[in-house]
Amino acid sequence: DQQVKQNSPSLSVQEGRISILNCDYTNSMFDYFLWYKKYPAEGPTFLISISSIKDKNEDGRFTVFLNKSAKHLSLHIVPSQPGDSAVYFCAASERNTDKLIFGTGTRLQVFP
Amino acid sequence: GAGVSQTPSNKVTEKGKYVELRCDPISGHTALYWYRQSLGQGPEFLIYFQGTGAADDSGLPNDRFFAVRPEGSVSTLKIQRTERGDSAVYLCASSPGQGTQYFGPGTRLLVL
Repeated sequence: DQQVKQNSPSLSVQEGRISILNCDYTNSMFDYFLWYKKYPAEGPTFLISISSIKDKNEDGRFTVFLNKSAKHLSLHIVPSQPGDSAVYFCAASERNTDKLIFGTGTRLQVFP
Repeated sequence: GAGVSQTPSNKVTEKGKYVELRCDPISGHTALYWYRQSLGQGPEFLIYFQGTGAADDSGLPNDRFFAVRPEGSVSTLKIQRTERGDSAVYLCASSPGQGTQYFGPGTRLLVL
């Protein structure tokens, strides 16, 4: 049973445009959400997070939106850059636990 | 170094052999996590240490898998009687207690 789902395995965006990566979850006990970025042959790198008490968190070009009623979150990257090309993982954890539940990832390609 | 390090970076072994994978967390981080990532999947939680003790080992797939952290710093993941299905990237992460998890580059295990 996949508790965190990333239904788009890949996304292709032109440089300068907005990239929107989506993530859905089924577990209503999740209260903390994160996005990680992964380059080939490297470990995941933390990008941005959001607590369930918020609906938006912004850090530079990256913004995460959380819609609790829809159990949906999204990562917006604007403007997209070629260096953003990587696999993006959505992850979630329950209150008072530390284990992260990951989605299957979305491969983002930003082309010139 | 400043980040999480893992050794070896690659390990090839034969079915039935024993392997040990090592993780050096970020200095001062009390929490340490092991995840396993199979091809096309997101990282899957295995075990979590807070200090020297395993706080949550619910992700270990069976009793062939065991992990230790005797001095609250370096951790070793041990796999007995390896099977072809154990082939994956084994990721280690650390955090300063609860909070963002920082991942190492992983050990790529191939069981022939």
